[in-house]
Amino acid sequence: AQKVTQAQTEISVVEKEDVTLDCVYETRDTTYYLFWYKQPPSGELVFLIRRNSFDEQNEISGRYSWNFQKSTSSFNFTITASQVVDSAVYFCALSEAGTGNQFYFGTGTSLTVIP
Amino acid sequence: GAVVSQHPSWVICKSGTSVKIECRSLDFQATTMFWYRQFPKQSLMLMATSNEGSKATYEQGVEKDKFLINHASLTLSTLTVTSAHPEDSSFYICSARGGTSTETQYFGPGTRLLVL
Repeated sequence: AQKVTQAQTEISVVEKEDVTLDCVYETRDTTYYLFWYKQPPSGELVFLIRRNSFDEQNEISGRYSWNFQKSTSSFNFTITASQVVDSAVYFCALSEAGTGNQFYFGTGTSLTVIP
Repeated sequence: GAVVSQHPSWVICKSGTSVKIECRSLDFQATTMFWYRQFPKQSLMLMATSNEGSKATYEQGVEKDKFLINHASLTLSTLTVTSAHPEDSSFYICSARGGTSTETQYFGPGTRLLVL
C-alpha cells in the first residue's frame, strides 16, 4: 500500500493565485516525520519543511504554509500568491522511527504557474 | 548549512564502461547516505542506504554487484555503476543525513547518466 499519496499529479494556476497541494499519509508508528521537498527543473530536491508527529501546529514561512492534521492523516501545503518561480514538482515524504527513518515519497505534484 | 554536493552533474559514457559518482556532505558529518534513482516524471526510488564504515544495504531488486557503494568517510559516499548499459541511463540522486537533524535528508543536485 502506498504510504504517501499525492492525488494531484499536475496543477496549473495563474500567477498570484493561491494553490494547495494535498498529501495524505499512512502509518502505524506513533513517532514519524513528514516532509515537503521542491524539485525545480534543474533536478535538485530542496528541503522545505519537516514536522514531527507530536507537533500539529501549522506553520507559515513567507508565502508558504503547511496544515498538519493527524485526524485526517494529511499534511497539505499551500502557496499564497503563487509566482512563476514556484513552478516545480513538489514531493511529500514520510519517515517512520520504526523503520530507521527511511523515506517514503509520494509520487509528486507538478505545479505550473502561468504568468 | 546542510549542503550536499554531487559530482559529476552530467556524464555520457559508452556501454560497458564504469562510472563513478561522488556524493559529499560539505558542512556536516553524514552518518547515513542514501542513493536514489529517478526516471522522468516519476518519484524517487531508493536504491541503497549506506552507513559510514559498513556495507551498504540494498533495496530489493537492486543489484549490488552492478551498483557498488562505498561510504569511506563521514563526508563522502560513492556510487559506481559497473559495466553500464543503456538501461542504466537515469537521474541518480544522493542524500545525506546527520548533523543536528538526524531525521532530515538533504539532497545533492543529482547526476544525469546517459549510456550510449
